Amino acid sequence: DVYLAESGGGLVQPGGSLRLSCAASGFTFTRYWMTWVRRAPGKGLEWLANINRDGSDDFYVDSVKGRFTIARDNAKNLVFLQMNSLRVEDTATYYCARSGSPWSEGAYWGQGTLVSVSS
Amino acid sequence: QTVVTQEPSVTVSPGGTVTLTCASNTGAVTNDHHPNWFQQKSGQPPRALIYSTSNTLSWTPARFSGSLIGGTAALTLSPVQPDDEADYYCLLFYGGVWVFGGGTKLTV
Repeated sequence: DVYLAESGGGLVQPGGSLRLSCAASGFTFTRYWMTWVRRAPGKGLEWLANINRDGSDDFYVDSVKGRFTIARDNAKNLVFLQMNSLRVEDTATYYCARSGSPWSEGAYWGQGTLVSVSS
Repeated sequence: QTVVTQEPSVTVSPGGTVTLTCASNTGAVTNDHHPNWFQQKSGQPPRALIYSTSNTLSWTPARFSGSLIGGTAALTLSPVQPDDEADYYCLLFYGGVWVFGGGTKLTV
């Protein structure tokens, strides 16, 4: 079975940094794009970034471009989200997701990790 | 700025039919946007239902279907069951990046 487990969330002050990790298992990791999505309290889902199979290409939503970086370690079946210059509005549950068939963006999801940005 | 718009809330009776829509401020939604649809219940991660306009996943109940209607992406549920009460999100592709709609709260 496909299994995704996020970790690394927590409380951080505005302007701080955090690195989220997502451990993947149950499938051939190198065959799939990976994605990060978040949901802030009381708001809807927001697509943040994705990365291609070998990590050579990535895409970001404008609101995090230049602050967040997605990366992957195909040897360890891990995907990361490095988050810098965090703002209060970055407070959210962060999910990693795996693509499915072509154009199936987010076929499988982890349970999420909570990030709180507050002074 | 790209904005994807969904009905904020919809109410439907059990056994009925409901269609949720997804519009783009850049123009008509087409198959090139590869619409995806997700269901999210409180305290759970999203669950994928539809990809690339109308394709279902192995776990998608037969009562869910996707289409394009009048320049929007559409998710139709028929017949609606009480367990379908949830938030529903569409996701559209814009040449590299994806954008979620604001979500529809479906009350059954």
